[in-house]
Amino acid sequence: GAVVSQHPSWVICKSGTSVKIECRSLDFQATTMFWYRQFPKKSLMLMATSNEGSKATYEQGVEKDKFLINHASLTLSTLTVTSAHPEDSSFYICSAPAGGPLNYGYTFGSGTRLTVV
Amino acid sequence: GQQLNQSPQSMFIQEGEDVSMNCTSSSIFNTWLWYKQDPGEGPVLLIALYKAGELTSNGRLTAQFGITRKDSFLNISASIPSDVGIYFCAATLSGSARQLTFGSGTQLTVLP
Repeated sequence: GAVVSQHPSWVICKSGTSVKIECRSLDFQATTMFWYRQFPKKSLMLMATSNEGSKATYEQGVEKDKFLINHASLTLSTLTVTSAHPEDSSFYICSAPAGGPLNYGYTFGSGTRLTVV
Repeated sequence: GQQLNQSPQSMFIQEGEDVSMNCTSSSIFNTWLWYKQDPGEGPVLLIALYKAGELTSNGRLTAQFGITRKDSFLNISASIPSDVGIYFCAATLSGSARQLTFGSGTQLTVLP
């Protein structure tokens, strides 16, 4: 089945540094990738939608300069948290439509636990 | 963003019992999905529903796409300890790579 590989699974960084999270579609082409943020015991909140070869679309309230998204190829999308601060600590998850003409059954990455100290 | 109304928020049940959870929306969707999320992991798709009125099973799981296209339920029969986790409903308007709208989740605890 369709697999989205997300790395790293967890990262601890110092305040002020930047962290890059990668999501790769392993056996299908992902022209679109969705990036979510999830707080403990809460639902997934969509941050942005990345499209291969074009600028990402950010949800209201999400700082595009803070959360840089790059979707340079059909199999790779990255999220960079720039100048991270403790309030950016969260669980970040990517997702892509699993392929096929109707794009059903979105596949999720395994998530990245970011802790900013 | 918009969220689906998912209930119950949490459930504590005995092993072997059946479980039911549901999601409602004020908007019409034409695809409903049910996911399970284990701690520290991404959601995993359990069942996908594509037609209003559709009833689909996956082992001990059964889900239905409401006839009004504004709701869906998930049933788990004969629960086992590994059913523990958070269950999310999600919905979308299909036909293109559209974003999912998520429910708030149901935390399921199965007591031995």
